[in-house]
Amino acid sequence: AQKVTQAQTEISVVEKEDVTLDCVYETRDTTYYLFWYKQPPSGELVFLIRRNSFDEQNEISGRYSWNFQKSTSSFNFTITASQVVDSAVYFCALSVPYSGGGADGLTFGKGTHLIIQP
Amino acid sequence: NAGVTQTPKFQVLKTGQSMTLQCAQDMNHEYMSWYRQDPGMGLRLIHYSVGAGITDQGEVPNGYNVSRSTTEDFPLRLLSAAPSQTSVYFCASSYSYRDPKNIQYFGAGTRLSVL
Repeated sequence: AQKVTQAQTEISVVEKEDVTLDCVYETRDTTYYLFWYKQPPSGELVFLIRRNSFDEQNEISGRYSWNFQKSTSSFNFTITASQVVDSAVYFCALSVPYSGGGADGLTFGKGTHLIIQP
Repeated sequence: NAGVTQTPKFQVLKTGQSMTLQCAQDMNHEYMSWYRQDPGMGLRLIHYSVGAGITDQGEVPNGYNVSRSTTEDFPLRLLSAAPSQTSVYFCASSYSYRDPKNIQYFGAGTRLSVL
């Protein structure tokens, strides 16, 4: 079975600070994908990034960066120079190849509520 | 540019009532799924479908039924609502179930309260 752990339930920082959201995953599959989704106060779920298990290159997109480390089963998300608009709940999720045995789909962590104070 | 459309956005039910949450996608996606989101629990998979006529249970299927008669639609039925089903429900779809890389796109959600 798959498991995703986001140990930080809530993080509060002041605007312009850097912040890192942690994600640790468990799976026996050697092929898998990791995702980050953002849920702003309006409630929708917005896809941010996808990373496969064979690509450990870090990714940077503007103020966002992601650090994937297979050795520690982690896929952490860093926001540099945070802004109030970054306030949201962020979910890390894991996808493995379809097995047909039920429960196939994304396995989500419980989410981290990020509060950026002006 | 509709994507995944869920109706209604809000619903209040009394215990024992039945209702159907609607979900439609216009992207010709093969895979569709329903999740529920509860405080501190993240999103949990209720049911999913890998194509028209094919459905399967997820992590928390009890109390819910689904069917998929067309590629576009994947309704979720509550036959006898219970207060424990108070939650926010999300429908999602992706291009194919065959490759775990496929991104799941989510609807805006339905907020359900059962009194």
